[in-house]
Amino acid sequence: EVQLVESGGGLVQPGRSLKLSCLASGFTFSNYGMNWIRQAPGKGLEWVASISSSSSYIYYADTVKGRFTISRDNAKNTLYLQMTSLRSEDTALYYCARHVSFDYWGQGVMVTVSS
Amino acid sequence: DIQMTQSPSSMSASLGDRVTITCQASQDIGNNLIWFQQKPGKSPRPMIYYATNLANGVPSRFSGSRSGSDYSLTISSLESEDMADYHCLQYKQYPYTFGAGTKLELK
Repeated sequence: EVQLVESGGGLVQPGRSLKLSCLASGFTFSNYGMNWIRQAPGKGLEWVASISSSSSYIYYADTVKGRFTISRDNAKNTLYLQMTSLRSEDTALYYCARHVSFDYWGQGVMVTVSS
Repeated sequence: DIQMTQSPSSMSASLGDRVTITCQASQDIGNNLIWFQQKPGKSPRPMIYYATNLANGVPSRFSGSRSGSDYSLTISSLESEDMADYHCLQYKQYPYTFGAGTKLELK
């Protein structure tokens, strides 16, 4: 059974950093690109970043470029999102999802940026 | 960036109604579009792939179609379990972009 489990969320002050993780199981993680998608409370979905299976290709939304870094460790079956210079508008539920079909999603992890 | 204009933003319909939700792409995306269903407190679930292909396990009352730059999700006969938010996503070109979403409620 394919599973994606996010962790690392929480309450953080503006300007601080946080690192999210997404642990994958039930499939060959190293064969798939991965995505981060977020959803602010009561809002729609926003694609955040994508990374190819071997980390050769990485893409970001303009809203996070220069502040967020997507990475992966295929030996640990884990996807990461390093978030720096956090802003109140980054408050959202963050999902990881398998690329390119977006067929499997995690349950999401909440990030709240507030003083 | 490719803009996905989704309509309506919300709608109410009765059981058994035929319901159509539309996304219009600002540039050519081919058939590189996915429709998602999202219920409260749940992760999005893909319903339609490549604009017209039904995902595994999705009831046949759901269908996807394309007319030029307009993409539609249709529910042929609405059931109570279909009440949810629906989102479209284009994955033709980075940055990937979602429509703003449609909230489907029971009348």
